[in-house]
Amino acid sequence: AQSVAQPEDQVNVAEGNPLTVKCTYSVSGNPYLFWYVQYPNRGLQFLLKYITGDNLVKGSYGFEAEFNKSQTSFHLKKPSALVSDSALYFCAVRVNSGSARQLTFGSGTQLTVLP
Amino acid sequence: NAGVTQTPKFQVLKTGQSMTLQCAQDMNHEYMSWYRQDPGMGLRLIHYSVGAGITDQGEVPNGYNVSRSTTEDFPLRLLSAAPSQTSVYFCASSYSPGTESYEQYFGPGTRLTVT
Repeated sequence: AQSVAQPEDQVNVAEGNPLTVKCTYSVSGNPYLFWYVQYPNRGLQFLLKYITGDNLVKGSYGFEAEFNKSQTSFHLKKPSALVSDSALYFCAVRVNSGSARQLTFGSGTQLTVLP
Repeated sequence: NAGVTQTPKFQVLKTGQSMTLQCAQDMNHEYMSWYRQDPGMGLRLIHYSVGAGITDQGEVPNGYNVSRSTTEDFPLRLLSAAPSQTSVYFCASSYSPGTESYEQYFGPGTRLTVT
């Protein structure tokens, strides 16, 4: 079975500082990893994904994520946080699991960027 | 494109009532799915469909039915609502389930309260 862990329920960072939102995963086989963001009362929006290739993936709004196979991690990062980045962030993993190919989500991390 | 649309946005039901949550997409996506989002639990898969006429159960299917008569529509039916079904429901779609690299597109959600 595949699983995703987001060890921090809440992350606070000052505007202009770098931010990291952590994600670790457990799968059998090669993972396909995703980050989504959810603003209040909205659906999830895709940020970025890792499929294969470079371990550093760049996505929307200046976010990037680093795939680390040995540590089974896929942490989300941004060099300089904005107040508008405050939202709920979800990490997700997907593998080839028969006909299901289900996307498994972490529990989410609430990011608050303080002005 | 309208993307993924969901109706209604909000709904209050009494215990034992039934209702259908509507979901439609105009991107010609083969794969569609329903999730529920509960605080601290991320998103959990209820049912999914890999194409018209094909549906299957996800992680938490009890109390819900689905059907997929067209590529565009994937309604979720609550057979006899229970307070435990109070949640926010998201519909999502993506390209072929055989291509794990494709990200899912989410609708805006339906907030359901069962009293």
